[in-house]
Amino acid sequence: QKEVEQDPGPLSVPEGAIVSLNCTYSNSAFQYFMWYRQYSRKGPELLMYTYSSGNKEDGRFTAQVDKSSKYISLFIRDSQPSDSATYLCAMTEPSNYGQNFVFGPGTRLSVLP
Amino acid sequence: DSGVTQTPKHLITATGQRVTLRCSPRSGDLSVYWYQQSLDQGLQFLIQYYNGEERAKGNILERFSAQQFPDLHSELNLSSLELGDSALYFCASSVRGGNGELFFGEGSRLTVL
Repeated sequence: QKEVEQDPGPLSVPEGAIVSLNCTYSNSAFQYFMWYRQYSRKGPELLMYTYSSGNKEDGRFTAQVDKSSKYISLFIRDSQPSDSATYLCAMTEPSNYGQNFVFGPGTRLSVLP
Repeated sequence: DSGVTQTPKHLITATGQRVTLRCSPRSGDLSVYWYQQSLDQGLQFLIQYYNGEERAKGNILERFSAQQFPDLHSELNLSSLELGDSALYFCASSVRGGNGELFFGEGSRLTVL
């Protein structure tokens, strides 16, 4: 079993739809949870960052963490064609020198106009 | 703009050759991470440096090496290149070894012919 599982998609939705992206993990030591957006051939861009269980909202984006069930979600409201990208979940675990980052494989999202 | 600068953006070379990729982290960030992303693949962690010292190693081949200099910029050296080394190579930086926020450069696209 991989440390972080993520449905690779591709996921296609019509413009304006609510998108739900999910990751599950197995390592209870993960402390920080992030979502990155990666446009084709570009560097991943940090979208959301959270530490505790619960919801965190930023504009059209809501990140949800459930540490007891070991899953995280990213919701995108009123999706736009510009949201078409690959979304990577990421988690960190403490190490001797700070944090180790573990990335999911990414979900490719297409928002159709 | 994440503040992380990578050069060159594109590089085409032949099998057996050696290349050096360069990364300048965000101002104030002491930690540098290198990742490899092959076509339609996830991010593969290669190596991490913190304030000039190697701190963590991932799936980095023996043909690859890296270092971080006193001015905190980092270089990734790839030698005896093979066709399979063609990929995007990302550098990322974070504060104090990583407390959950990792900022990526735009990547160096390496093509080995």
